[in-house]
Amino acid sequence: DSGVTQTPKHLITATGQRVTLRCSPRSGDLSVYWYQQSLDQGLQFLIQYYNGEERAKGNILERFSAQQFPDLHSELNLSSLELGDSALYFCASSTKVRGNEQFFGPGTRLTVL
Amino acid sequence: AQTVTQSQPEMSVQEAETVTLSCTYDTSESDYYLFWYKQPPSRQMILVIRQEAYKQQNATENRFSVNFQKAAKSFSLKISDSQLGDAAMYFCAWSLTGGGSNYKLTFGKGTLLTVNP
Repeated sequence: DSGVTQTPKHLITATGQRVTLRCSPRSGDLSVYWYQQSLDQGLQFLIQYYNGEERAKGNILERFSAQQFPDLHSELNLSSLELGDSALYFCASSTKVRGNEQFFGPGTRLTVL
Repeated sequence: AQTVTQSQPEMSVQEAETVTLSCTYDTSESDYYLFWYKQPPSRQMILVIRQEAYKQQNATENRFSVNFQKAAKSFSLKISDSQLGDAAMYFCAWSLTGGGSNYKLTFGKGTLLTVNP
């Protein structure tokens, strides 16, 4: 158990819909990263938040957005869903004190039908 | 942009034997981290081992060790005394270090390791 929690574990929805994925980092970790794992693209970095502020963006679509709340949990919002958005979405957290060791949550499996 | 290449999509090893997974990377940075992550069928991403680029000594964690060749930009993972539980997808990853706070990971495509009894 990494200490990072993600909900829900599985999500099945239809094209055009909007979903929210939730992540709670390990206690004390200020950084939250979102990654997408798909068969086509492999593991890709989407976005990072550090102590409530966006710090870096990767290959994140405009239809996707994220935020980190004062209690440090983070949400990834996916809208106007397409079939190609079906993937495993991971959240990871890290603490600057320990360098760059990132601890991954169990992931949310999103299926768009 | 940084790239990480794993040239072996699949590998297999007999239980109790040794296997080496290859990884090369491309970067113009001098300070960075390299990682091997394991992803078993449960899909959980598990950190196996980490190497800081400024350290010449190769990292080891029990049965796992790396061969880090900075000039060649090579970072291979050796698994000794392979066990059935080592069967998983293994990802090599790179991240920047330094004074900032962005340590996003850049991953290779992965190597699927099968352990035969």
